[in-house]
Amino acid sequence: AQTVTQSQPEMSVQEAETVTLSCTYDTSESDYYLFWYKQPPSRQMILVIRQEAYKQQNATENRFSVNFQKAAKSFSLKISDSQLGDAAMYFCACKSNFGNEKLTFGTGTRLTIIP
Amino acid sequence: GAVVSQHPSWVICKSGTSVKIECRSLDFQATTMFWYRQFPKQSLMLMATSNEGSKATYEQGVEKDKFLINHASLTLSTLTVTSAHPEDSSFYICSAHGTWRDNSPLHFGNGTRLTVT
Repeated sequence: AQTVTQSQPEMSVQEAETVTLSCTYDTSESDYYLFWYKQPPSRQMILVIRQEAYKQQNATENRFSVNFQKAAKSFSLKISDSQLGDAAMYFCACKSNFGNEKLTFGTGTRLTIIP
Repeated sequence: GAVVSQHPSWVICKSGTSVKIECRSLDFQATTMFWYRQFPKQSLMLMATSNEGSKATYEQGVEKDKFLINHASLTLSTLTVTSAHPEDSSFYICSAHGTWRDNSPLHFGNGTRLTVT
């Protein structure tokens, strides 16, 4: 079984500034994947970034990067140069690479961008 | 990229009626599809895993006789909410995993907002 914890229900950041969203997880699997999904008001789930647990190098996607600390089971998301379009709910998720590979989501962090 | 189509995007029905929601993978074959439920301002909760050609696997606490899942082909899974009640009102989202093992993330449909009156 997997659990994902997001301890920040809400966060806000000034436009063009940097913000970090926290996520911790617990899994007994040795091979798994971690994701950050964005859910704007349209409620479409949009993949932001993913990290394969066996890779030590932190994933980056343009303005989005992660700080993956495997031993601490921490997977934070850093958004640089925040833009108004980044406002959304952000969900951290974990997926085992075995079994039915279902996603386990955290409770989400609502990010507000202040103009 | 891979696209998952979910229909309808919203539906209003009366108590006691049944509602069917479709989830289609448009450009890939989905051996596994997942059905999630999301209450307002909450996270996605997995309801069941739908496997093509076999019975769905339901999460604990989800009534399989109330939420009927059919995955008869590699591109279509359906969720039928039977004898709907107001407490079934929610946002339902499907996601699909392809047959290829390239470690791609799940692809999500746009969701269905169900309102039971």
